[in-house]
Amino acid sequence: GNSVTQMEGPVTLSEEAFLTINCTYTATGYPSLFWYVQYPGEGLQLLLKATKADDKGSNKGFEATYRKETTSFHLEKGSVQVSDSAVYFCALSDRGYSSASKIIFGSGTRLSIRP
Amino acid sequence: GAVVSQHPSRVICKSGTSVKIECRSLDFQATTMFWYRQFPKQSLMLMATSNEGSKATYEQGVEKDKFLINHASLTLSTLTVTSAHPEDSSFYICSAHGTSGAYEQYFGPGTRLTVT
Repeated sequence: GNSVTQMEGPVTLSEEAFLTINCTYTATGYPSLFWYVQYPGEGLQLLLKATKADDKGSNKGFEATYRKETTSFHLEKGSVQVSDSAVYFCALSDRGYSSASKIIFGSGTRLSIRP
Repeated sequence: GAVVSQHPSRVICKSGTSVKIECRSLDFQATTMFWYRQFPKQSLMLMATSNEGSKATYEQGVEKDKFLINHASLTLSTLTVTSAHPEDSSFYICSAHGTSGAYEQYFGPGTRLTVT
């Protein structure tokens, strides 16, 4: 079945460091891929998405590129801030862009940024 | 942007009682809502998919008689945990998909249930 694997945390970085959180997926067909962020005490927010191969999703300085050849969707940011401290979830949806389909989440990676 | 609310945000109940959690789409109509459960420091696990006016579809291993889901209108879905036990303590999150045709699931802020 479809699944998402992301690097285990916690990840602790200093402010302004470069961030990479790895994510790989297993899916039949052509899933849509997402990164969600969960700030302490809050619900999930969509951070960015990509719906087809080679698409790059970007938001708030974060980027991820849909790599079909490596089945990956790694999250990157060039210079992290303390306010980026949160839990990040990689996810996929297996029924295409315009359908209401269930989302399969990775295990989440907790990110802590030191001032 | 679209907003989804959940009520209550926190609830503590005694073992054996039932608890109802509401999920509302505040500024859009949601034909489909999803209910997830999140254990501490773990990912979200889909419990069921709820379509307005029809019975919910439960994921394998989720007891439909224990977790009753009702989606009576395009803006409201409810999850009732019946005869709750301490092992039901968890963070329950709903999401809603709109009717506009464009993909987007909007997540509620979650409800933390503690069963004593």
